[in-house]
Amino acid sequence: SQQGEEDPQALSIQEGENATMNCSYKTSINNLQWYRQNSGRGLVHLILIRSNEREKHSGRLRVTLDTSKKSSSLLITASRAADTASYFCATDANDYKLSFGAGTTVTVRA
Amino acid sequence: SQTIHQWPATLVQPVGSPLSLECTVEGTSNPNLYWYRQAAGRGLQLLFYSVGIGQISSEVPQNLSASRPQDRQFILSSKKLLLSDSGFYLCAWSKMAGDTQYFGPGTRLTVL
Repeated sequence: SQQGEEDPQALSIQEGENATMNCSYKTSINNLQWYRQNSGRGLVHLILIRSNEREKHSGRLRVTLDTSKKSSSLLITASRAADTASYFCATDANDYKLSFGAGTTVTVRA
Repeated sequence: SQTIHQWPATLVQPVGSPLSLECTVEGTSNPNLYWYRQAAGRGLQLLFYSVGIGQISSEVPQNLSASRPQDRQFILSSKKLLLSDSGFYLCAWSKMAGDTQYFGPGTRLTVL
């Protein structure tokens, strides 16, 4: 079953703009992860944030986690055409597996 | 460094035919292994996971099965494919449960 749900389902932005997407989940988690998937390819891990962390950065990516609201956000700054992809959040609820959301499709226009 | 292989990359099979998809991992030992299916434009559905040789947990009851004959080999099988088995199949591994998962390139299966 899906625990994480991303919002919006799709996002179209101009190159250079920032892209923000959100993930909400239902149960307590150990960590939350964000992945990127280019069309027709496997998923690539972007960043992992643990339940005791509130914010994490990696290059142009910034992830926040609010466990009281059971939500996370992924911000991509200064977007590039190569950022066009689907982005998924996945939660670890201590049951041997990750639960993935349905994803946000991001299109960066040149 | 670790790598994960999946084959074949694409497969077109008739309804009722058997299926065997293979996934192998290099550069690590005793990984957790996972099979996912992704319908077009959708999220990932976990099908099976394995924490060790011969240990398989099924998440979705259907006509698919999985086996782990060796530490770094994970096989997805079916005796008789259904139209609804079409999709993009992804294999992944992690060092421990809940850790970062590393995905293979996927197999696009079309059942006609």
